[in-house]
Amino acid sequence: RKEVEQDPGPFNVPEGATVAFNCTYSNSASQSFFWYRQDCRKEPKLLMSVYSSGNEDGRFTAQLNRASQYISLLIRDSKLSDSATYLCVVSNTGKLIFGQGTTLQVKP
Amino acid sequence: GAGVSQSPSNKVTEKGKDVELRCDPISGHTALYWYRQSLGQGLEFLIYFQGNSAPDKSGLPSDRFSAERTGGSVSTLTIQRTQQEDSAVYLCASSLATSGRYEQYFGPGTRLTVT
Repeated sequence: RKEVEQDPGPFNVPEGATVAFNCTYSNSASQSFFWYRQDCRKEPKLLMSVYSSGNEDGRFTAQLNRASQYISLLIRDSKLSDSATYLCVVSNTGKLIFGQGTTLQVKP
Repeated sequence: GAGVSQSPSNKVTEKGKDVELRCDPISGHTALYWYRQSLGQGLEFLIYFQGNSAPDKSGLPSDRFSAERTGGSVSTLTIQRTQQEDSAVYLCASSLATSGRYEQYFGPGTRLTVT
């Protein structure tokens, strides 16, 4: 079983749609949680950290449920530029453990 | 300021040859990480450095892989006797410290192809 599991998608949505990604992690000792974004043939870039209280950054909302070992990302009012692969990431000693990524394609 | 740089950006090598990949972290970042991304495997951790020490080498796939960091700055990842399964994008990242609270900034990667 992979340490971080995500639905690979792809998710194909129209512009303006709301889309949600979920992931689960197996190591209960994980301390830090992130969503990274990766564009085709580019390096991953941090989208946002995820906190137990939940956090929002513009159109993006992230939630963490430590009891269920579950992380989510909600994107509202999708833009064409949101098309990318979204990587769920956990860390407990600094090194990052990545999920396989969920591909999002936003269509006009 | 300058980000993480890696060289070469692309490397094609014959099976059995040795290769060296270089990473130049962001100035002042004490932590440096190596990852690789291959088709069907996703991004996987290889090794990290705190200063010049490597407290966690658990991700290195075999003893053909080694890495060093000198002067708390540049790091090289060496793969000896390359095999076709070593073909992947090798990514380097750096951060201010090794605590997971610090963002890791990734370089553009080295795309390695073993023929």
